[in-house]
Amino acid sequence: AQTVTQSQPEMSVQEAETVTLSCTYDTSESDYYLFWYKQPPSRQMILVIRQEAYKQQNATENRFSVNFQKAAKSFSLKISDSQLGDAAMYFCAYGAGNKLTFGGGTRVLVKP
Amino acid sequence: DAGVTQSPTHLIKTRGQQVTLRCSPKSGHDTVSWYQQALGQGPQFIFQYYEEEERQRGNFPDRFSGHQFPNYSSELNVNALLLGDSALYLCASSLMADSQSTDTQYFGPGTRLTVL
Repeated sequence: AQTVTQSQPEMSVQEAETVTLSCTYDTSESDYYLFWYKQPPSRQMILVIRQEAYKQQNATENRFSVNFQKAAKSFSLKISDSQLGDAAMYFCAYGAGNKLTFGGGTRVLVKP
Repeated sequence: DAGVTQSPTHLIKTRGQQVTLRCSPKSGHDTVSWYQQALGQGPQFIFQYYEEEERQRGNFPDRFSGHQFPNYSSELNVNALLLGDSALYLCASSLMADSQSTDTQYFGPGTRLTVL
């Protein structure tokens, strides 16, 4: 079974600074997808970024970028120029066969 | 364009009762997945519906059942509620791709179920 591990329960970052969230996963599949979702206190899961495993190029979405290391099964998220609105729980998710497996989450605190 | 909607927002039940949660997918989507998120944890996959049939199921007992209607909306039913069923229940919609692909899933705001 696939597993997703987020080893950082909580990360704190100063406004305008950069923070990197770690995620590792375990799978025997060769074709899969990886996602980062943000869950603010409002509870709604919001897609941050998506990466196809067959693509070597790391995905970017405005201030959010990933470092995808397929051999190491690592998928970290970098948030640049952090804003107060970035404060939330961030979940890494592995997707294959239309099913998502989530990690335990990392809480991001942004200090003004 | 409405996103994924869920009802009700909150629900309080007692042990042994039955509950039904509802979900309407994002416009254009045909697949609905349900997840259970216990407090302080990541969501766990319950099951997925496509073409009115359960296509995949996670490690949840038969007390958890569902349905998908011709308009793609879906219900999650939980029978014989236990205290441990207290959680946020999330619905996600997507387009069914081929069996190897995974389309992006868009989530609703969730239903908070409390079992007393």
